[in-house]
Amino acid sequence: EAQVTQNPRYLITVTGKKLTVTCSQNMNHEYMSWYRQDPGLGLRQIYYSMNVEVTDKGDVPEGYKVSRKEKRNFPLILESPSPNQTSLYFCASRGMNTEAFFGQGTRLTVV
Amino acid sequence: AQSVTQLGSHVSVSEGALVLLRCNYSSSVPPYLFWYVQYPNQGLQLLLKYTTGATLVKGINGFEAEFKKSETSFHLTKPSAHMSDAAEYFCAVSDHGYIPTFGRGTSLIVHP
Repeated sequence: EAQVTQNPRYLITVTGKKLTVTCSQNMNHEYMSWYRQDPGLGLRQIYYSMNVEVTDKGDVPEGYKVSRKEKRNFPLILESPSPNQTSLYFCASRGMNTEAFFGQGTRLTVV
Repeated sequence: AQSVTQLGSHVSVSEGALVLLRCNYSSSVPPYLFWYVQYPNQGLQLLLKYTTGATLVKGINGFEAEFKKSETSFHLTKPSAHMSDAAEYFCAVSDHGYIPTFGRGTSLIVHP
């Protein structure tokens, strides 16, 4: 089954404690992206990747890092999380002629 | 650069009434356009998409949208709302090779 898998689904952490949210897709898609969803703001793009070892900033990249060492994986790293990064995060992937497929989301709370 | 504007953060209709969710876009190239739906505590699911060809696009659950280049619009409609249509709806635009840019979303409320 074609899917994008994010882990964990829910995470509560403390300010400053490094964390990683994993994202994996099994569709051999070139493009992957991370979004955060906040009430009234819709989905805002954090980072995206056009292929292995190619990443670029989206609209709200501050406080986040990503890596794309393998085509299927695109982890999101928060080196020093802060409360304003409390949000719902979505990973997405897309092939050249397909729509974007989304993971189920990761609800992050930073206290 | 591409962008999407969804008019109305909330739309309220009665069950059985017409649903109209508005979306306007800007894109420097002929766009790909999408509508996604998000049910509570779930991820985003594709409703329909326009890439090329016929400007009236039919999607799942009885929804359809019409691409109007002259108006830079891609409004979503459904002739008769059902209670199960209550959800958040997102319009998105993509200039072909990139991950789409989303609007802020419209919450559809359906009254009995």
